[in-house]
Amino acid sequence: DAMVIQNPRYQVTQFGKPVTLSCSQTLNHNVMYWYQQKSSQAPKLLFHYYDKDFNNEADTPDNFQSRRPNTSFCFLDIRSPGLGDAAMYLCATSRVRGPPMTEAFFGQGTRLTVV
Amino acid sequence: DQQVKQNSPSLSVQEGRISILNCDYTNSMFDYFLWYKKYPAEGPTFLISISSIKDKNEDGRFTVFLNKSAKHLSLHIVPSQPGDSAVYFCAAIDSGGGADGLTFGKGTHLIIQP
Repeated sequence: DAMVIQNPRYQVTQFGKPVTLSCSQTLNHNVMYWYQQKSSQAPKLLFHYYDKDFNNEADTPDNFQSRRPNTSFCFLDIRSPGLGDAAMYLCATSRVRGPPMTEAFFGQGTRLTVV
Repeated sequence: DQQVKQNSPSLSVQEGRISILNCDYTNSMFDYFLWYKKYPAEGPTFLISISSIKDKNEDGRFTVFLNKSAKHLSLHIVPSQPGDSAVYFCAAIDSGGGADGLTFGKGTHLIIQP
């Protein structure tokens, strides 16, 4: 059974039209991450939540926001998608943050197309 | 500037032979390293990890070697099987640095040929 579920798998949005990607987990993990992966590039961390504490990466554009209403769900909001935001968006969870390290569990990703 | 580098975008290996995937890093503060495997249309799945206090970690057919002085790690798969065909990502973290996410390489596409 899938433990980290991302919806939708594929999302097409119009240039400048707000879009929300969702992630849910059944693992009861404390930490949830959002990564952006562009074609042939490394996944890049956008931000993460440790419980309700939001941690933004320094170079994440303001256009990207996140919400975590409860332990199970986390959302990625793109306020005004540009063509350069087309990418695979990966949600991941881990039980703890930092040492002792545990591996992150990833969802299947949402492929975002901006037209 | 890429802190984790996988310089081979793809690697082709015959079934039954050893696959060696390489990864280099530049941040000397990284102290924990992980390998992820990714099939098309699926998210990455954790494969194996190694702490900087070790130089080798083995799990079945998979062994990761870490050379801290060279800032290099490698993943060995032996024997290689068709199901090993996937993209392999190397990832690293500075567990004491306050940055809590993984830094990934661009991945190596491993193709196992029958």
